[in-house]
Amino acid sequence: GAVVSQHPSWVICKSGTSVKIECRSLDFQATTMFWYRQFPKQSLMLMATSNEGSKATYEQGVEKDKFLINHASLTLSTLTVTSAHPEDSSFYICSASRQGSLAYEQYFGPGTRLTVT
Amino acid sequence: KNQVEQSPQSLIILEGKNCTLQCNYTVSPFSNLRWYKQDTGRGPVSLTIMTFSENTKSNGRYTATLDADTKQSSLHITASQLSDSASYICVVSGNDMRFGAGTRLTVKP
Repeated sequence: GAVVSQHPSWVICKSGTSVKIECRSLDFQATTMFWYRQFPKQSLMLMATSNEGSKATYEQGVEKDKFLINHASLTLSTLTVTSAHPEDSSFYICSASRQGSLAYEQYFGPGTRLTVT
Repeated sequence: KNQVEQSPQSLIILEGKNCTLQCNYTVSPFSNLRWYKQDTGRGPVSLTIMTFSENTKSNGRYTATLDADTKQSSLHITASQLSDSASYICVVSGNDMRFGAGTRLTVKP
């Protein structure tokens, strides 16, 4: 159990357009979901934490109006990159904490490769 | 300075050999330390999770150790396989999560 999926696995978009990435917990309910960004040969950088039904908490330096996060249900969170620019090209990974589990148990999705041309 | 430092940055070993990866941290307060394996282009997969009171934890050929006094952890891989080629990330949690930069391991035949 504890499978997290992401869709799409990769996406190419033109500069100025918006892209939505979905993160789903397939076999458990996730009270908290996390969104990370990873540049080549670098470690994951936490962008924001979202709890179901409430507003996301963004890390310092992450623009909340550019990276819109919605966590409408216990199994789905979405990240929308608005007005994407080439510098937004990155590997975006979500993770989810299982409801009722120890707080530090996070299950990661397979990631989404975003390329902005 | 990152609160979680991993070494070496990269490592190349021959198949069948053992290796040890290091993680030193300054995170305080300390809640837990996790080791993840991340294949290229994939999300991280948890290998071990250790709390303050745990000194060692094994997961198959992976054995993690933790010295909370010196704030050091290691991940030992026994009898390496080609599929062990990946990045290994140390994550330390306290008031928040701190990620190490990872060690890139390459296992060659």
